[in-house]
Amino acid sequence: QQPVQSPQAVILREGEDAVINCSSSKALYSVHWYRQKHGEAPIFLMILLKGGEQKGHDKISASFNEKKQQSSLYLTASQLSYSGTYFCGTEISSSNYKLTFGKGTLLTVNP
Amino acid sequence: KAGVTQTPRYLIKTRGQQVTLSCSPISGHRSVSWYQQTPGQGLQFLFEYFSETQRNKGNFPGRFSGRQFSNSRSEMNVSTLELGDSALYLCASSFDKPYGYTFGSGTRLTVV
Repeated sequence: QQPVQSPQAVILREGEDAVINCSSSKALYSVHWYRQKHGEAPIFLMILLKGGEQKGHDKISASFNEKKQQSSLYLTASQLSYSGTYFCGTEISSSNYKLTFGKGTLLTVNP
Repeated sequence: KAGVTQTPRYLIKTRGQQVTLSCSPISGHRSVSWYQQTPGQGLQFLFEYFSETQRNKGNFPGRFSGRQFSNSRSEMNVSTLELGDSALYLCASSFDKPYGYTFGSGTRLTVV
């Protein structure tokens, strides 16, 4: 039931783009995205509800393909501050009240 | 506005002891979830509470329990501590669905 994230790690130079994927074997109600820096709490980025929507958040956006039960997080023109571990969290229904996280993707942005 | 507050920040306990961790959510947030984070297993769901009711529970032994008070503050308790319980315990609060969670800084528990 745990979503699968890929890649496990990615290294970028400032200004480059990245895509992080999150796949589930179950039908989903929602997908959450969080970023966690070392020694800090995870920070909420965005939530996508079933309906195949896409959301934007400055240069960070995400999509949700309901048919494939996949979500992708897009980071464009990456900045040093984007470094951290990105987690997707999934909920299988509106009445499940359990957010299940993937193992995370470690993103490193170098100057 | 104040964030999610977890106390204590650090704890060192001996095997067999019990421990209680506290979480104060953001004002107005009635949903509180608890997670265990370890390098090997990542973020593992423990339980979720809303208005003093546990709405879901993860796959943890009965030694792990929690509760929520009428002011939405929550506590989790771990009895008969084992070495494997060493982890960062994170609390997260939310208005409810379909909002995102705000995490606290966590309690780092070390069992020796």
